[in-house]
Amino acid sequence: EDKVVQSPLSLVVHEGDTVTLNCSYEVTNFRSLLWYKQEKKAPTFLFMLTSSGIEKKSGRLSSILDKKELSSILNITATQTGDSAIYLCAGAFTNAGGTSYGKLTFGQGTILTVHP
Amino acid sequence: KAGVTQTPRYLIKTRGQQVTLSCSPISGHRSVSWYQQTPGQGLQFLFEYFSETQRNKGNFPGRFSGRQFSNSRSEMNVSTLELGDSALYLCASSLELGSLNYNSPLHFGNGTRLTVT
Repeated sequence: EDKVVQSPLSLVVHEGDTVTLNCSYEVTNFRSLLWYKQEKKAPTFLFMLTSSGIEKKSGRLSSILDKKELSSILNITATQTGDSAIYLCAGAFTNAGGTSYGKLTFGQGTILTVHP
Repeated sequence: KAGVTQTPRYLIKTRGQQVTLSCSPISGHRSVSWYQQTPGQGLQFLFEYFSETQRNKGNFPGRFSGRQFSNSRSEMNVSTLELGDSALYLCASSLELGSLNYNSPLHFGNGTRLTVT
């Protein structure tokens, strides 16, 4: 069964710190890995990773996928209080017949709290 | 461009009742997925619709059902509500079937908070 595990489950830092969030997966017929940020309601899309070793960056956030290790990391540099949120990692798969499906298997999430 | 719109935002129902939740995808998006989010289980996949057909289904009982209309709008129905159905129900849309294309991740709505008493 597809499984995604995130660590740590919660993290408390101060503004200006750099954080690294981890995600490991056991997704059958892996196709891509996605990161989302959830503050109040809607998870907001951050990155989608399909190729190993390629870093995706957006401002202070970056993410990289390691297909060999079946893992991904999300880095946030110079954290701000506005980065406080739940960060969700999710795996997408292709079924045995090679059909693309939209099911995402989510990890438990990492609760990041950034203090001023 | 408007995002994914879900209505209503909040619902309070009693056990045994049924409920219908509505989702309007981003304009041009043809795939709609539904997820249940609870503190204990996190985000869990319910089902996905594309071209008015259910394409994939998660491990939920038959009390959970859905449909998609020709304009890609979707509804989700839960019958014979149980206390454990209390959750945030999130709808997500993407351009095509699935979220596997580079330019087609899932975009989520703000959800409907369902409380069953």
